[in-house]
Amino acid sequence: EAGVVQSPRYKIIEKKQPVAFWCNPISGHNTLYWYLQNLGQGPELLIRYENEEAVDDSQLPKDRFSAERLKGVDSTLKIQPAELGDSAVYLCASSRGAGRYEQYFGPGTRLTVT
Amino acid sequence: KNQVEQSPQSLIILEGKNCTLQCNYTVSPFSNLRWYKQDTGRGPVSLTIMTFSENTKSNGRYTATLDADTKQSSLHITASQLSDSASYICVVSGGSSNTGKLIFGQGTTLQVKP
Repeated sequence: EAGVVQSPRYKIIEKKQPVAFWCNPISGHNTLYWYLQNLGQGPELLIRYENEEAVDDSQLPKDRFSAERLKGVDSTLKIQPAELGDSAVYLCASSRGAGRYEQYFGPGTRLTVT
Repeated sequence: KNQVEQSPQSLIILEGKNCTLQCNYTVSPFSNLRWYKQDTGRGPVSLTIMTFSENTKSNGRYTATLDADTKQSSLHITASQLSDSASYICVVSGGSSNTGKLIFGQGTTLQVKP
């Protein structure tokens, strides 16, 4: 079974530029999560999808961040414009459902904003 | 406030030795507690998951304990190997079993030296 796939693995951009991350969850997983992880910290939830519906986006900075999950499978997380403080690892995870189901994480995208 | 605190922040041990990592949480209501291992440059991988009624669970050389009364958990690693060098993250799921939100600790960085 293929795991969660993310691309790109690394991205370096200048501040004020836009950037997008892509995530392909494990087949059959209805729930998809985007996390932000700063160096030396645990992941922080940005947004959770149940199929194509964003059910928890309370921690997503909506002035510059946006996400979509068209057709309830792949998802894209976008930042526009990027700021220096956005430098972090962006992790995508998926699970069969919310709550007690196991979450499987992708390798993450390491973003560096210069 | 729902929080998960881990100690120590970092730990260095010699190969073959045992070690114990600690996790204290203030999440309520409690659904389950998970331990994840995160290798450098990779996403977290689940080691164990325990519900309220479970007080110990093993996965190979990893043994997790849970005391729901004192809201404490530990992860014991036996006969450490170089490949155990990683960050270990304690994660508590709060809320109902269907919509539990994961609260991540900051992680303990373990380095196993030959």
